[in-house]
Formats: sequence, C-alpha cells, structure tokens
Amino acid sequence: EIVMTQSPATLSVSPGERATLSCRASQSVTSDLAWYQQKPGQSPSLLIYRASTRATGIPARFSGSGSGTEFTLTISSLQSEDFAVYYCQQHNNWPLTFGQGTNVEI
Amino acid sequence: EMQLAESGGGLVNPGGSLRLSCAASGFPFSSYNMNWVRQAPGKGLEWVSSIRAGNNYILYADSVKGRFTISRDNTKNSLFLQMNNLRAGDTAVYFCAKAAADSWFFDLWGRGTLVTVSS
Repeated sequence: EIVMTQSPATLSVSPGERATLSCRASQSVTSDLAWYQQKPGQSPSLLIYRASTRATGIPARFSGSGSGTEFTLTISSLQSEDFAVYYCQQHNNWPLTFGQGTNVEI
Repeated sequence: EMQLAESGGGLVNPGGSLRLSCAASGFPFSSYNMNWVRQAPGKGLEWVSSIRAGNNYILYADSVKGRFTISRDNTKNSLFLQMNNLRAGDTAVYFCAKAAADSWFFDLWGRGTLVTVSS
C-alpha cells in the first residue's frame, strides 16, 4: 500500500497570504495525484488532478506541482472561502489512498 | 446538472447489515467508473470500493473485503454497497463518488449517508 503523508497537519494563515501544502508518497505515483478541498459539513470537491491540472471552475490561485513522490498544493492568496481541509490522493496503484489532510485555518 | 444522492444509512447493531444506494443523474452513468469512500467522524477519507463502468472490475479495501459488496445497475443509474457483518469501526459517512474518465480520481461526490454501528 502506498502511504500518503501530508504536512503540516494544520496551517495557520491570514487572508491574502500564500499557503503551501505538501504531500509525500511512500513510493512513486508518477503524476497520478489529486487534491481535494473539504469544508465543514460538506463533501470533498476536486481541486487538482494529474498533479497540476485544475479541475473545472477552480480559480487560478490554486496550483499543483510535483511528480514521483513529492507534491505541493499552493494557494497564492488565501480567500475566506479557502479555509478548509485539503486532502491528496494517489490513483496510481491499488488500494487508492489518501493523505490524512491539512487543515488550513485562520 | 450532474448529481449523486446516497441513501440507506442508519443505526445498526454490530454484526448487522445495511444496503446503501446512490442515485446518479446528469451524466451517462454507464460510462463511468464508480466508487465508495468513507469518512469516520472527525477523521480523514478512506477509499472503500470501486467498480468499473462495465461491471467487469471490482476492488475492495482490505478492511471491508469479504464483508462488503459493491454493485451497479446501469439501467437504473444506480450504485449500491451491501454491507454485512458490520463493526463499530465501519461507523462513518459513506460517499458515493464518480471517477473521472479512464482514471480513478473523483470528480463528483455525493453528500454522503451516515452509517452508525452501535448496540
């Protein structure tokens, strides 16, 4: 099983600041990496797929990078609606696995 | 508008059974791989099971293998999860999720249905 490790567990930032979230895979997943956003009481929603492609309707302030085992999600200028939990997921190998999440808070 | 709507959750005793359903609309259901993902209270996301569009490829997480059965009815645009021999550790919100074309990441999620296993 590929273990996905996200860091930090909690990221405290202010609106307008830049946020950088990391996701590390225990073995290479090439570019088969997705990022999701989950707000309290809601289901997750897709942000980024194939490591760096924004999903439909996702603002340009969200960007993804990386390949192999190291990945980054960057939010260039945090808006109030961006405070949420972010998960990475590898879809290169079975079982599909998620990171434990990063909580982006004020 | 593409939508997924889960139903069938509830409170069940340990060792009991439940059948979850997911009704899909707004997209050609039979063309897409479908999945169940769960989230225990206050915890992260855990993949449970996947089924290919043509019903010919099914996978389970080790934690549910032999107890859960995924199925789909492409004529009724529906996905199912039969859960038997339920344990306390199965307590979670269960999400139905559509996979993107020819891939296994999830581009559409339902709102989830809560399963509570407790005596």
